[in-house]
Amino acid sequence: QSVPTQPPSASGTPGQRVTISCSGSSSNIGGNYVYWYQQVPGAAPKLLIFGYNQRPSGVPDRFSGSKSGTSASLAISGLRSEDEADYYCASWDDSLGIWVFGGGTKLTVL
Amino acid sequence: EVQLVQSGAEVKKPGESLKISCKASGYSFSEHWIVWVRQMPGKGLECMGIVHPGDSHIRYSPSFLGQVTISRDNFLNTAYLQWSSLKASDTAMYYCARHEPTRGFDYWGQGTLVTVSS
Repeated sequence: QSVPTQPPSASGTPGQRVTISCSGSSSNIGGNYVYWYQQVPGAAPKLLIFGYNQRPSGVPDRFSGSKSGTSASLAISGLRSEDEADYYCASWDDSLGIWVFGGGTKLTVL
Repeated sequence: EVQLVQSGAEVKKPGESLKISCKASGYSFSEHWIVWVRQMPGKGLECMGIVHPGDSHIRYSPSFLGQVTISRDNFLNTAYLQWSSLKASDTAMYYCARHEPTRGFDYWGQGTLVTVSS
């Protein structure tokens, strides 16, 4: 099994569209839902995307998620300065029998 | 309103024991898994283990099995994370979160900072 991997960093300018990838395995992303969490510095993580690209109330539709095979992506369109944060993917791992998080991606808005 | 309120920051010495808590309110505590998540300084999120208050079922991540103990008290609507002998490497922020079957970890505690230093 493979714990999901994410690029350590990503960046974009205001208004731009950025994507963050999350690469897993058949035991996690390949067979289970993927969730995305946002963590701004000094705060607890916050649920961003769940299920089949669903957003909790209050999360703008600029955020969207997708999955293909054993990989997933988070897309942020119309990038804003307040989007600067760490982003984590997560999924249940059938082999480990526990939840696993990706290593996180630090998004910088230039 | 769903809330998870964690106990305050702790400063401990290596070898000491510690038990931190996560008190839930605003929903039926016995119906949702609670997860404990570690975040070491400057690092990412790690799932340590999960507890289902309704049937006391507990699972640990292989990395944390034998290192910590997770428990709950349904009368107090509280989940716990404890160490019998802390190490400097246990220095981290610890979060609890509620798991909702279709939504994932939808509510999080504010975090408990544990510092272990001689």
